[in-house]
Amino acid sequence: DVKVTQSSRYLVKRTGEKVFLECVQDMDHENMFWYRQDPGLGLRLIYFSYDVKMKEKGDIPEGYSVSREKKERFSLILESASTNQTSMYLCASSFWDQNPSGANVLTFGAGSRLTVL
Amino acid sequence: AQSVTQPDIHITVSEGASLELRCNYSYGATPYLFWYVQSPGQGLQLLLKYFSGDTLVQGIKGFEAEFKRSQSSFNLRKPSVHWSDAAEYFCAVGSSPFSGGYNKLIFGAGTRLAVHP
Repeated sequence: DVKVTQSSRYLVKRTGEKVFLECVQDMDHENMFWYRQDPGLGLRLIYFSYDVKMKEKGDIPEGYSVSREKKERFSLILESASTNQTSMYLCASSFWDQNPSGANVLTFGAGSRLTVL
Repeated sequence: AQSVTQPDIHITVSEGASLELRCNYSYGATPYLFWYVQSPGQGLQLLLKYFSGDTLVQGIKGFEAEFKRSQSSFNLRKPSVHWSDAAEYFCAVGSSPFSGGYNKLIFGAGTRLAVHP
């Protein structure tokens, strides 16, 4: 099975701290995504990457950056954490294939719950 | 604008009763539709997907969904709910794999299902 691993399940940080959320997938997927999940808002896309060193802004990129130096690893960075970034962060990956039977299905990690005090 | 609406925030059903979770979407191109489930403390797991062909699709855990283009709906159903189905359910829409591009999914806000014994 595809496995997407988020290194930290729970983090507590202080306002202004730099925060790194790490995500690793083991199935050689091209695409990786960071979503933020908030009650009543569902999942909102922060950034995604379709290749090493490539990144694209999602719907809510402000206050975040990402890094993809290796195909299997996609990091989300909060340069200066703020209380409104307290949330659940979900990483996902997918492969690109013209065969629709399996293509574009996102596989999610278990999530990283971040609290910013 | 592309969007997904799940009108019901919370639903409570009795074990053994039938279930229907509603999903309406707004999408300019041919949609690629998904239902995901999130158990407490877990990431999202794919229940089923629709991209073409038969409008009634079967998924895991006894779930099915019907695509109705005229109503822009993709409702999820299960004939008999089990206590283990208590979770949060997310509908999502993305671009068809035939349209090219990267499949950025747009998620609904989710429906939380409670199951009474």
